[in-house]
Amino acid sequence: QSALTQPASVSGSPGQSITIPCTGTSSDIGAYDYVSWYQHHPGEAPKLMIFEVSKRPSRVSSRFSGSKSGNMASLTISGLQAGDDGDYYCTSYRDTNTVVFGGGTKLTVL
Amino acid sequence: QVQLVESGGGVVQPGTSLRLSCAASGFTFSGYSMHWVRQAPGKGLEWVAVISFDGNIKYYADSVKGRFTISRDDSKNTLGLQMNSLRADDTAVYFCARSSGYYKKGILDHWGQGTLVTVSS
Repeated sequence: QSALTQPASVSGSPGQSITIPCTGTSSDIGAYDYVSWYQHHPGEAPKLMIFEVSKRPSRVSSRFSGSKSGNMASLTISGLQAGDDGDYYCTSYRDTNTVVFGGGTKLTVL
Repeated sequence: QVQLVESGGGVVQPGTSLRLSCAASGFTFSGYSMHWVRQAPGKGLEWVAVISFDGNIKYYADSVKGRFTISRDDSKNTLGLQMNSLRADDTAVYFCARSSGYYKKGILDHWGQGTLVTVSS
């Protein structure tokens, strides 16, 4: 099971916006609107940030947004803050009745 | 509040078995599908398995299919993961996570802190 493709790292300065792409295939991202994004700080439980491509849990800041086009999904964080740093993972349902994660992207707030 | 607490991790030899548990509280456990996700040292998150709210549907990652079995005991609000024929590459922190809505949506809205499994001779 190959993972979804994410860049290993991205960075931005406080106040800037960044976008993390997540590339899949026509068997996962391209076929279903079941894309989620998670923030993970090592040693802690991962935190759901976006689900069903673009929906936000009520406790997540509106600075976080998600989108999808074809086989690629994206997470955008606007107005970067120091606490936004960490590892971000995309996931999607795949037509083999499995859930697949992206390789993860380390966000550094400069 | 929702709580998920994993237990059962430890150091085991290759080829042996281990059973993980996840104690759930703060919600109606029987109404939710549940997942196991793992993270090997220095690696990213990897989905392991899912069990539907009624226990009738179980799916596994190819890497564990035939060796791992996911289960649930709604009377004890407990999720289980029986791991057999363990290999070095099963070494990871194992997280249990609650699935919100239809299991295919993969909306893991609450996670435990994880339990470490080390497979080494």
